[in-house]
Amino acid sequence: QSALTQPPSVSGSPGQSVTISCTGTSSDVGNYNRVCWYQQPPGTAPKLMVYDVSNRPSGVPDRFSGSKSGNTASLTISGLQAEDEADYYCSSYTRSSTYVFGTGTKVTVL
Amino acid sequence: QVQVVQSGAEVKKPGASVKVSCTASGYIFTDYVIHWVRQAPGQRLEWMGWIKVGNDDTKYSQKFQGRVTITRDTSASTAYMDLTSLTSEDTAVYYCAREKLGAYWFDPWGQGTLVTVSS
Repeated sequence: QSALTQPPSVSGSPGQSVTISCTGTSSDVGNYNRVCWYQQPPGTAPKLMVYDVSNRPSGVPDRFSGSKSGNTASLTISGLQAEDEADYYCSSYTRSSTYVFGTGTKVTVL
Repeated sequence: QVQVVQSGAEVKKPGASVKVSCTASGYIFTDYVIHWVRQAPGQRLEWMGWIKVGNDDTKYSQKFQGRVTITRDTSASTAYMDLTSLTSEDTAVYYCAREKLGAYWFDPWGQGTLVTVSS
């Protein structure tokens, strides 16, 4: 199972919006609405930010939003804040009843 | 308070095995799935496998099939990940994470266990 494809890095100034893409195949992202996004600041464990493509767990700011079209899912961070600087990973359930993560994207707040 | 707490760092020699534990609290252990995910230094997250705690069913990534075994002890609310035939490529932080059965997302995650493989 190959990793989902994400851009290595995105950046934006405080208050701006950034979008991270996550491209898979018809065996994972394209076939299931089971895409999640995790935030991982340096040296810490991942934290769930979005589940089932576009749902936010309790406590996650509404600045984080998810969507999906075909084999590509996206995470948008609106009103970027310094505390959003971290690595972000998408993940998807797959046809094999396994899971696959993305290659990871470093978000830098300028 | 729901949490999963992992065992401490390990240093192993090539060819050895390592067993990492993940102890849950604050919820009904048997209602959930425990996943294991690893992250080599500077690398991406890599899913290794899961165990459905209630019925002991397991599923492993093809990459680790034959080398990894995930088990659980319901009396201790603890899951274990056993990885054999270690090489330097297995040096990584190993995480456990909880999934409510049928939810497809992982929350919360353990704090991670660093496994270093070195001669």
